[in-house]
Amino acid sequence: LAKTTQPISMDSYEGQEVNITCSHNNIATNDYITWYQQFPSQGPRFIIQGYKTKVTNEVASLFIPADRKSSTLSLPRVSLSDTAVYYCLVGDRPKAAGNKLTFGGGTRVLVKP
Amino acid sequence: NAGVTQTPKFRVLKTGQSMTLLCAQDMNHEYMYWYRQDPGMGLRLIHYSVGEGTTAKGEVPDGYNVSRLKKQNFLLGLESAAPSQTSVYFCASNNGVEGELFFGEGSRLTVL
Repeated sequence: LAKTTQPISMDSYEGQEVNITCSHNNIATNDYITWYQQFPSQGPRFIIQGYKTKVTNEVASLFIPADRKSSTLSLPRVSLSDTAVYYCLVGDRPKAAGNKLTFGGGTRVLVKP
Repeated sequence: NAGVTQTPKFRVLKTGQSMTLLCAQDMNHEYMYWYRQDPGMGLRLIHYSVGEGTTAKGEVPDGYNVSRLKKQNFLLGLESAAPSQTSVYFCASNNGVEGELFFGEGSRLTVL
């Protein structure tokens, strides 16, 4: 599993856009980039997954440059309820990743009123 | 549709006691996983299963055993609990095709 580096924490205010960048310099050809959100006392929840360029869903956007050595999760117009820890995972699909599906420390996002 | 259900939600054990955590999923998923999460840390993979009757070691398997006798259930056992196993345990499942992991709500275990 490619090693990932993301900021430990970020603060933002309601209504702002939050961008969290994850570095993964040794990403492999078959690796996908997946982001999860975790609220206190809950299990992580899938947000978005991508391979290259840009992916958008109803919750977030994921920007992946051509070299795929980093990716940016973008949360538009955050609210207080977006306060959570966000994890970036880089690896092959679970079928191939096997025992490599381990989460790093994540980015703790605090949204202030 | 309950998704992934873990029981019990909370448990306190004394050192040396044994216990089993049960994970049940109703999505007919092939893949199931057990993670532990220590305070302020990410999730570390303990064991996983790619199908009924199969199990494999993850990153931190020592002190734990697992079984997958039925496709919908994945059991995590502690034969002789130690204080170092105090943690929150999460179960997850996946259909083996798409990348999304579905997690349970967690089981908080304290070993005194």
